[in-house]
Amino acid sequence: KNQVEQSPQSLIILEGKNCTLQCNYTVSPFSNLRWYKQDTGRGPVSLTIMTFSENTKSNGRYTATLDADTKQSSLHITASQLSDSASYICVVRTRNYGQNFVFGPGTRLSVLP
Amino acid sequence: SQTIHQWPATLVQPVGSPLSLECTVEGTSNPNLYWYRQAAGRGLQLLFYSVGIGQISSEVPQNLSASRPQDRQFILSSKKLLLSDSGFYLCAWSVGVLAGGPVYYEQYFGPGTRLTVT
Repeated sequence: KNQVEQSPQSLIILEGKNCTLQCNYTVSPFSNLRWYKQDTGRGPVSLTIMTFSENTKSNGRYTATLDADTKQSSLHITASQLSDSASYICVVRTRNYGQNFVFGPGTRLSVLP
Repeated sequence: SQTIHQWPATLVQPVGSPLSLECTVEGTSNPNLYWYRQAAGRGLQLLFYSVGIGQISSEVPQNLSASRPQDRQFILSSKKLLLSDSGFYLCAWSVGVLAGGPVYYEQYFGPGTRLTVT
């Protein structure tokens, strides 16, 4: 069964600190993995997308890693800001036709001053 | 550039009333379209997806239905709402992207509709 798991479920950090969010997946066949940021009451916005051959990709203070062998990904946020408070969703796409995006439950990040 | 619209932004409906949520996409043609529901504090649940006009696939059996009367219009409906239908409804579209490597599909989300069934 295709599944995406994320940890922790929620996280509270102080402004300026770094944090790392985890994503494990059992999706097969694998096409790509993406991280979304979803502010409360808004639609998700893509942060990064990684294909099978990519190990690391950065987008400003966000750095995503992918280990296709262990089927794990992480999202590292550097020097957190209050505006980073949001849910971060890991999504894996399969190569199957039709419904091919498998969503994780998300990690709720709260950045406190 | 492409944009995706959803309306209404918020909706409060009594149990047993009908529902119609609309999603339209601009700036692209023949996109794959999706309806998701997100319960409070939960992940996104795929409800329906469509790969073309009149082609609808349902992922979760329920009292909701979807239609795609035009290429860039996707409608979510219900004849009689249940309390459990409350949630945040998101429409999304995807398109293949070629960026110097294998084609990958990027998915873009609308602003969402907050539905409260009372």
